[in-house]
Amino acid sequence: DAGVIQSPRHEVTEMGQEVTLRCKPISGHDYLFWYRQTMMRGLELLIYFNNNVPIDDSGMPEDRFSAKMPNASFSTLKIQPSEPRDSAVYFCASSSDRDEKLFFGSGTQLSVL
Amino acid sequence: DQQVKQNSPSLSVQEGRISILNCDYTNSMFDYFLWYKKYPAEGPTFLISISSIKDKNEDGRFTVFLNKSAKHLSLHIVPSQPGDSAVYFCAGDSNSGYALNFGKGTSLLVTP
Repeated sequence: DAGVIQSPRHEVTEMGQEVTLRCKPISGHDYLFWYRQTMMRGLELLIYFNNNVPIDDSGMPEDRFSAKMPNASFSTLKIQPSEPRDSAVYFCASSSDRDEKLFFGSGTQLSVL
Repeated sequence: DQQVKQNSPSLSVQEGRISILNCDYTNSMFDYFLWYKKYPAEGPTFLISISSIKDKNEDGRFTVFLNKSAKHLSLHIVPSQPGDSAVYFCAGDSNSGYALNFGKGTSLLVTP
């Protein structure tokens, strides 16, 4: 398996623009997680899905953030409108029900100017 | 509120010596702990874990110690190697959820 695949690797955009981050989890994994890494807060959980259903979105900062998982092999995290304080590395991770270990993608480095 | 705290942002150790990375947690419901290692421009990768029913788990050069009464765990790397230079994240997990709670990470530099 190729592991968790995220795209794009880097995204530079201007304040106010819509940003869409994409993730393909490991095949067969039931859980998908979106994390954000910043210097101030480290790795913080934004939202996670189980069998494509959002389970906990309490970490989503504001209504500007939304996440979807239309099927077992694809998820998106959307920020609309984006702001400079959204600049961070966004990680997607997946895991199976039988394993508490998370497998992370390489992340998307987002810069909002 | 940070439920997992790594109070040392960075650590520098000489090659061959022991590296000790510390982690404290506040959530008494955590029953499983994991350490992840992260290189620049890569995602975190799993390193070692420990269940709350144990106080020690060893895997090669890596050993994790858990002190439940103090709500403290530590990762020991012996001997340290330059390739161990990375950011190390501590994480806690509870039976009530499937999402890991991570600390802010400790950047380890192993110098030749």
